[in-house]
Amino acid sequence: QVQLKESGPGLVQPSQTLSLTCTVSGFSLMDYSVHWVRQPPGKGLEWMGRMKYDGDTYYNSALKSRLSISRDTSKSQVFLKMNSLQTEDTAIYYCTRGGELDWYFDFWGPGTMVTVSS
Amino acid sequence: DIQMTQSPASLSASLGETVTIECRASEDIYNGLAWYQQKPGKSPQLLIYNANSLHTGVPSRFSGSGSGTQYSLKINSLQSEDVASYFCQQYYDYPPYTFGAGTKLELK
Repeated sequence: QVQLKESGPGLVQPSQTLSLTCTVSGFSLMDYSVHWVRQPPGKGLEWMGRMKYDGDTYYNSALKSRLSISRDTSKSQVFLKMNSLQTEDTAIYYCTRGGELDWYFDFWGPGTMVTVSS
Repeated sequence: DIQMTQSPASLSASLGETVTIECRASEDIYNGLAWYQQKPGKSPQLLIYNANSLHTGVPSRFSGSGSGTQYSLKINSLQSEDVASYFCQQYYDYPPYTFGAGTKLELK
């Protein structure tokens, strides 16, 4: 069955770089896009960016200067790197699969909590 | 960017009641709308896509409707397992995909 799982450090110091991995199973990264969405504690959802099935990337313009998404198809993994972290980047980070025509998100990982603090 | 405005922000309802949550887009999104349910401590789950199509496995008491800039999610015969936050998301004009701020549904 389709599964996604995020992994990474729970704590990052201010101004440092966040590195997260999304490991997927049950589908191919060459057939479906994977997106990153984050949610600050008690708040709403923010789309961050996507790794398209053809290897192309799209980023939220609000984060574009700090964000990079890449993949390793042989390992079924998608990577997120975001630099210059600040306390407002504290959030649950989700990876999610793009559904039909990459319009909506049909499967989600459980999420990983990232706290930015010294 | 298209802004999504959800209402109400919170809602209290009784078991068996019918509940409606609204979502308004800042411009016409031509039914490019999805609804998600997020239970406490869990990740969001897709309920509805294309404004009114039920995702696989979602109970038929959930339904979506609307057009243009105005959309709604209806839950018939509210069950205890429906206690959650609900989010709308537009995908007519992206990037970025944008979400509503959410509606928190509690039992009365």
